[in-house]
Amino acid sequence: DTGVSQDPRHKITKRGQNVTFRCDPISEHNRLYWYRQTLGQGPEFLTYFQNEAQLEKSRLLSDRFSAERPKGSFSTLEIQRTEQGDSAMYLCASSPNTGVSPLHFGNGTRLTVT
Amino acid sequence: GEDVEQSLFLSVREGDSSVINCTYTDSSSTYLYWYKQEPGAGLQLLTYIFSNMDMKQDQRLTVLLNKKDKHLSLRIADTQTGDSAIYFCAFTDKLIFGTGTRLQVFP
Repeated sequence: DTGVSQDPRHKITKRGQNVTFRCDPISEHNRLYWYRQTLGQGPEFLTYFQNEAQLEKSRLLSDRFSAERPKGSFSTLEIQRTEQGDSAMYLCASSPNTGVSPLHFGNGTRLTVT
Repeated sequence: GEDVEQSLFLSVREGDSSVINCTYTDSSSTYLYWYKQEPGAGLQLLTYIFSNMDMKQDQRLTVLLNKKDKHLSLRIADTQTGDSAIYFCAFTDKLIFGTGTRLQVFP
């Protein structure tokens, strides 16, 4: 069971820099989700894909954020011109979109913007 | 939009039962889930209940759903120190998670 894999686990960057995170979902899952979680809060939905199509984006996803899933497998989340308020845990999840379809989460990428 | 509330903290003695509560405003989700998050880790699915059920038991876990009061609960029997974590209710039809309840189990 390879599970959902996220890379890197931790990222420290200076304000104004661009960062990119990668998520590799469970191979047979066609849905992929990105969430953001800040300390003491539940995960907040950012966006999700079904195969390569980005089907929904939250209003939280400003124009500095972009996500791609070009071949319907792995996904990247890029944040341009990072701000201190972007500091959070970024969680990726995948699901099979059949039956119960619970989300399977990776361990997240913790971003710190200094 | 959906509003999902959980109490922030729960502290129980090892061996006792824990009850974690969740209230919500929108009742259109097909499935309602409970997730567990340990420090520094992602969320782990614990159990779920279909919206047309009132109760589901899964080993030490019992989920109760009161659709009239829009109240979901998770009971953990014989709580162990390894159960210490943050617990989230979730409505993934709506892509929404609760605020989380931190469960602390003391010996």
